[in-house]
Amino acid sequence: AQSVTQLDSQVPVFEEAPVELRCNYSSSVSVYLFWYVQYPNQGLQLLLKYLSGSTLVESINGFEAEFNKSQTSFHLRKPSVHISDTAEYFCAVTSSNDYKLSFGAGTTVTVRA
Amino acid sequence: GAGVSQSPSNKVTEKGKDVELRCDPISGHTALYWYRQSLGQGLEFLIYFQGNSAPDKSGLPSDRFSAERTGGSVSTLTIQRTQQEDSAVYLCASRVEAVDTQYFGPGTRLTVL
Repeated sequence: AQSVTQLDSQVPVFEEAPVELRCNYSSSVSVYLFWYVQYPNQGLQLLLKYLSGSTLVESINGFEAEFNKSQTSFHLRKPSVHISDTAEYFCAVTSSNDYKLSFGAGTTVTVRA
Repeated sequence: GAGVSQSPSNKVTEKGKDVELRCDPISGHTALYWYRQSLGQGLEFLIYFQGNSAPDKSGLPSDRFSAERTGGSVSTLTIQRTQQEDSAVYLCASRVEAVDTQYFGPGTRLTVL
């Protein structure tokens, strides 16, 4: 079994400032890691994922996350946020080939002008 | 192409009534998942279908919950004798076999009065 902890429930940030969303997981076996985003009144969308290979993964809209096995972390970062990044962000983990996801509690990011 | 669709988008019911929630996965996706998103419990896995294999029901919270998938496509989640704690957003996701990414539907918001 695995679990995910998102340490921050709410993150207010000013436009063009950097943001980091923390995610730690626990698992006794190898894992696959995901970040999903849920914009207001919309469904969950995959932001980025780590399966294997390079520990630094990037999304098309400027987010990146780094898998750190020793610290069991998969923190999400963006160097400069936009108003449109206002959303709830979920970290998720699976350790099996059926890809059943265990989600963190979510972090709400509110970007202000 | 069309994404995952769910119906109804909103359902209000009285305690003790039965409800059925429908999910239409993306065509050709052999894997289908149901999750629940509630204020108290966050995002939880409920059940997983893969092709013709027996479903993984390990996340169903009680025997009042059941799901079926007909013809390897449409799925119905049934909740019998609904309770107020069943109030949540029920999310469906589908995935192509051997590919890691799940695509989520918009969800059904269930309110039990």
